Amino acid sequence: GAVVSQHPSRVICKSGTSVKIECRSLDFQATTMFWYRQFPKKSLMLMATSNEGSKATYEQGVEKDKFLINHASLTLSTLTVTSAHPEDSSFYICSVPGSGQETQYFGPGTRLLVL
Amino acid sequence: RKEVEQDPGPFNVPEGATVAFNCTYSNSASQSFFWYRQDCRKEPKLLMSVYSSGNEDGRFTAQLNRASQYISLLIRDSKLSDSATYLCVAFLGGGYQKVTFGTGTKLQVIP
Repeated sequence: GAVVSQHPSRVICKSGTSVKIECRSLDFQATTMFWYRQFPKKSLMLMATSNEGSKATYEQGVEKDKFLINHASLTLSTLTVTSAHPEDSSFYICSVPGSGQETQYFGPGTRLLVL
Repeated sequence: RKEVEQDPGPFNVPEGATVAFNCTYSNSASQSFFWYRQDCRKEPKLLMSVYSSGNEDGRFTAQLNRASQYISLLIRDSKLSDSATYLCVAFLGGGYQKVTFGTGTKLQVIP
């Protein structure tokens, strides 16, 4: 399966600042990547689908102006949490779909804590 | 109603026991199903696919019942290393390419 990395693995920031999270597909060119958020003891919730060369597709209830996604190349997608608030504190995980689009390979996740 | 529902557990079982997890899905158009394993504070990792004919991989057996919209995972001879949260996943194809995760069932295997 695909090898996916994320950076940073954890970040602590002050309320009001912006945080950028990178997702890289190390051995697989990905025209699509997914961004998820997971709160403690909750399921993964799809936030958006990142599309290389075009705009991201956001799920209902996810603010596109707050969670900026840029799919700069076939191996890199970034998620920027703008003007972060404590309620944005969560585990953010990206994934790359497998060849059949059904299975997904996840990055190790980024833990965001907004103070 | 949640799209994919699981009993959150926790299931506390002794080593060597057999344990079964259940999962139901609401969207009958879902095409494919999977079980993922998520260790504490880690990312999910694919455990196995689920087929109507059943799928067995060592100590793990997954089963799909489309008529009942029900998925199961059976773990035999539980090991301490099996302790994790098991996520049931439904994939909606047909151009939607949407993956829906259940909330997960936590398993704790006790020595």
